[in-house]
Order: sequence, then structure tokens, then C-alpha cells
Amino acid sequence: KQEVTQIPAALSVPEGENLVLNCSFTDSAIYNLQWFRQDPGKGLTSLLLIQSSQREQTSGRLNASLDKSSGRSTLYIAASQPGDSATYLCAVGGNTPLVFGKGTRLSVIA
Amino acid sequence: NAGVMQNPRHLVRRRGQEARLRCSPMKGHSHVYWYRQLPEEGLKFMVYLQKENIIDESGMPKERFSAEFPKEGPSILRIQQVVRGDSAAYFCASSPETTGTQETQYFGPGTRLLVL
Repeated sequence: KQEVTQIPAALSVPEGENLVLNCSFTDSAIYNLQWFRQDPGKGLTSLLLIQSSQREQTSGRLNASLDKSSGRSTLYIAASQPGDSATYLCAVGGNTPLVFGKGTRLSVIA
Repeated sequence: NAGVMQNPRHLVRRRGQEARLRCSPMKGHSHVYWYRQLPEEGLKFMVYLQKENIIDESGMPKERFSAEFPKEGPSILRIQQVVRGDSAAYFCASSPETTGTQETQYFGPGTRLLVL
């Protein structure tokens, strides 16, 4: 049974800092891994999707990496801004629908 | 192209009542997934449907919960005789197809159910 863990559960950083969010999964037989952003009381916005054959994906200030063999993914956010404050969810896709971690709640302080 | 639509956005029910949550997938999408997010928890898969078929309902409670995706109209998640523990955000997602490789799922804004 796939389990997804996100560390840290919460993170507070000053504006401008670069930061890394971590995601680990127990079953390496995955098809893809997605990072989502969730704002309070809102739905999910897909940030990056990494297929199992890929090592990383980049979008603007975001870079996500995937290491299937070690069961890990990282989301790197460069030059953080207060608007980046949200909960970031990692989700793994395999033979079953997405399995989510509990998320990392990020606060970027101006 | 409108995104995934869910209604209502907020729903208040008293214990014992029925809750009906609706999801209209993105245009051209024939696969619908329902997830539940309990307070301070991650999203948990409930059920996966294609038009007129339930493909995987392994995450759905055996009692009081049912889901359908008719040939015409939205997908419906139905909760009978709601209890306080059903209070959660219910998210719907859709994808164009699944051929053994998961396509990106597009999520709706969710329905927040509060049971009094």
C-alpha cells in the first residue's frame, strides 16, 4: 500500500529565501508524481507533474525533482514571495488513483 | 474551456439528512474521481467512475455513501443519514483518459460539507 509523507509539516521563511519541500513515498512503482498548491478554503492547483521516466520539471521559480529508486521528490521554490504562502501537496499516481501526502503549510513573511 | 465544476460550494446538513454533491468534469473528460479531505488531513481517494460505470470504489465507506456518473449530467456523490464525522471537503477531479498511465487530474474547487 502506497504511503506518502511530506516533511516538514509547516515552514515559515522570510521573503526572498530559497526553500525546499520534501516528499517521500514507499512504493517506487509509480507512473507519475504531482505537486499541488492549496490555498485556504480553496481547491487544488496543479503546479508540476513529473512522469516516472523524468528526473525533474521546472516552471518559473519552481523546480521539482524525482528519484524513484529512493522514493523521494523535492519541490524547490526560488526567491520566495508572500504570495507563495499556501499548503503544498505531493501526490503519487500509480495503478490506483492519486495518493496524497498531508502537505507542507508554507508561510512567507514579508 | 471551463474547469471542473462542483456545487454546491458549501453545504450544511443536520445529522440524519442526505447530502448530494455534484461534479461536472471538464469538457471532453470521461473519468471522474472523488476525494475527501478531513480537517488537518491529506486528500483520500474515495471512488473512480467512468460514464455509467464505477471502476474503483475501494476508498468509499460501504454504508451510506454512493456515487454515480450517468450518461447525461454530472457525477453525484450521495451521503445518506449524514453524521458529524462526514464533515469534510469533498473534491472532484477529472481526467481525459487512463490507459494504465495516470493522466493529470484536474481538480474542482470542492464542496465543504458541515454536519450539525
